[in-house]
Amino acid sequence: SQQGEEDPQALSIQEGENATMNCSYKTSINNLQWYRQNSGRGLVHLILIRSNEREKHSGRLRVTLDTSKKSSSLLITASRAADTASYFCATDPRHIIQGAQKLVFGQGTRLTINP
Amino acid sequence: NAGVTQTPKFRVLKTGQSMTLLCAQDMNHEYMYWYRQDPGMGLRLIHYSVGEGTTAKGEVPDGYNVSRLKKQNFLLGLESAAPSQTSVYFCASTHGGIKASGGATQYFGPGTRLTVL
Repeated sequence: SQQGEEDPQALSIQEGENATMNCSYKTSINNLQWYRQNSGRGLVHLILIRSNEREKHSGRLRVTLDTSKKSSSLLITASRAADTASYFCATDPRHIIQGAQKLVFGQGTRLTINP
Repeated sequence: NAGVTQTPKFRVLKTGQSMTLLCAQDMNHEYMYWYRQDPGMGLRLIHYSVGEGTTAKGEVPDGYNVSRLKKQNFLLGLESAAPSQTSVYFCASTHGGIKASGGATQYFGPGTRLTVL
């Protein structure tokens, strides 16, 4: 089952513009994470935001979390060609903090930065 | 540190053949995971392990077996491969216990591309 649904499925912008990707989920979560995947590679962790946090920043990345709407957004500012990749949100749907963290991934957003 | 490594990188099997995928991590992580990724899809959890000698089923465990005899290694086996198992397989690891209680980064290997004819 897909807990997280990313929107849009594909996004193409010009270099220097900002890119915004959204993620919606269905159940309560412990945390939400964003990962990047370059073509033919494994996933690389970008940001983790816990359920009691509303916003986090990391360099050119800004993530927001709205637990009342069960949604998150990833903003990449001043995009570069190297940002071209697929971006996945992953939720940890543990209601009680116990046991193994089992992330549930969305289908991803394919981001293309045009030079 | 090599991080998470996977062998082999590519493999082609015929229906009914068996194989084992090896995942190794050198970060002393307690938890290890096997995922599969199909075209245009996110990752789906096959099996996972919370420590040496323990394994558990994930979302799509049928047709796969796993073993974690050593903390640093997590093996994924296909006893009788089927075309539906054509996919890219990723291994990941993370801290466990209190270090993961608020959420923990998963570190991924580069993947194994498996084709079953």
